[in-house]
Amino acid sequence: GAVVSQHPSRVICKSGTSVKIECRSLDFQATTMFWYRQFPKQSLMLMATSNEGSKATYEQGVEKDKFLINHASLTLSTLTVTSAHPEDSSFYICSASLGGSSGANVLTFGAGSRLTVL
Amino acid sequence: QKEVEQDPGPLSVPEGAIVSLNCTYSNSAFQYFMWYRQYSRKGPELLMYTYSSGNKEDGRFTAQVDKSSKYISLFIRDSQPSDSATYLCAMSVGGNEKLTFGTGTRLTIIP
Repeated sequence: GAVVSQHPSRVICKSGTSVKIECRSLDFQATTMFWYRQFPKQSLMLMATSNEGSKATYEQGVEKDKFLINHASLTLSTLTVTSAHPEDSSFYICSASLGGSSGANVLTFGAGSRLTVL
Repeated sequence: QKEVEQDPGPLSVPEGAIVSLNCTYSNSAFQYFMWYRQYSRKGPELLMYTYSSGNKEDGRFTAQVDKSSKYISLFIRDSQPSDSATYLCAMSVGGNEKLTFGTGTRLTIIP
């Protein structure tokens, strides 16, 4: 089946530093990937849609200069949290759409990356 | 009002019981409905998806959509301890449009 690999699974950093999270589709090509953020006991919040070869589309309220997204190839999208602060601590999850004959936007998710900013 | 409402639980049931998980929504344009299961500290995995109204069965899992009531359900028969997880409903208007998720229901199956 389709697999999305996300790395690192856990990262701890100091306030003010930048952190990069990678999301790879291992056995399929993903022209579109999605980045979500999840707070404890809350739902997945879509941050941005990452499009291969073009700029990401950010959701309202998400700072594009703080959360830099790059989708340089059909199998890799990266999210960089720049100048991280404690309030950026969260669980970040990427996903890729498999499409499908039904037309449903079926997503395969990575295992997530837990960011802790000290 | 949130677009998708889901009781966060927690919900605890004994092993072997039938579990009913539900979501309500306000956007009548939603056409695609999905259920994801998320284990602790992991990403969600797709359990089932349905288009428009009706039922869909897959092993011990049955998904129901009632568009007239804007209500979807996931039933788990013969529940097992390994079913303990958070279950998220998700839906979208179009097949290629972004998903709107519920908050998730945390389920524990007691051996």
